[in-house]
Amino acid sequence: EAGVVQSPRYKIIEKKQPVAFWCNPISGHNTLYWYRQNLGQGPELLIRYENEEAVDDSQLPKDRFSAERLKGVDSTLKIQPAELGDSAVYLCASSFGQGASGELFFGEGSRLTVL
Amino acid sequence: QKEVEQNSGPLSVPEGAIASLNCTYSDRGSQSFFWYRQYSGKSPELIMSIYSNGDKEDGRFTAQLNKASQYVSLLIRDSQPSDSATYICAVKGYSSASKIIFGSGTRLSIRP
Repeated sequence: EAGVVQSPRYKIIEKKQPVAFWCNPISGHNTLYWYRQNLGQGPELLIRYENEEAVDDSQLPKDRFSAERLKGVDSTLKIQPAELGDSAVYLCASSFGQGASGELFFGEGSRLTVL
Repeated sequence: QKEVEQNSGPLSVPEGAIASLNCTYSDRGSQSFFWYRQYSGKSPELIMSIYSNGDKEDGRFTAQLNKASQYVSLLIRDSQPSDSATYICAVKGYSSASKIIFGSGTRLSIRP
């Protein structure tokens, strides 16, 4: 069974440029999460989807970050414009069933470097 | 005070010994507890879940939970070099809407 797939794995951009990350969750997983992980820190939730509905986006910096999950499967996370402090690993995760779960399956992550 | 606290390490343990990793949390309403392993440059991988006070064993891993002391630990018996990784504690509240809060992780190094 395929795991959570993310792309790109690495992205280097200059500040003020836009960037987008894509995620395909495990088949049958209704809940999808985007996390940001800084070096030496644990993952921090940006947004959680149940099917196509964003049910928790309280920690998403909405002035520059946006996300969508059309048709309740794949998801994209966009940053526009990027700032130096956005350099981090962006992790997508999915879980089975409704509601937030602690049993998450993470993708390999997208490492963003903003110069 | 951080919601989930872990010693950042590194914790160095000789091969074959028991590695003990600790985590404390601040929310008394927390109900679900998880340990993730993260190898350098990789994503976190769930290795243990525990929901009730006491011990839960899975192979060489034992998770221990003490809700009264707001403390959860992970023991790794017969430590192997392949156990060298960062171990991240995660805690979740009672409701389905409760967020999962991750600690910063403890870096474990198993020396041959």
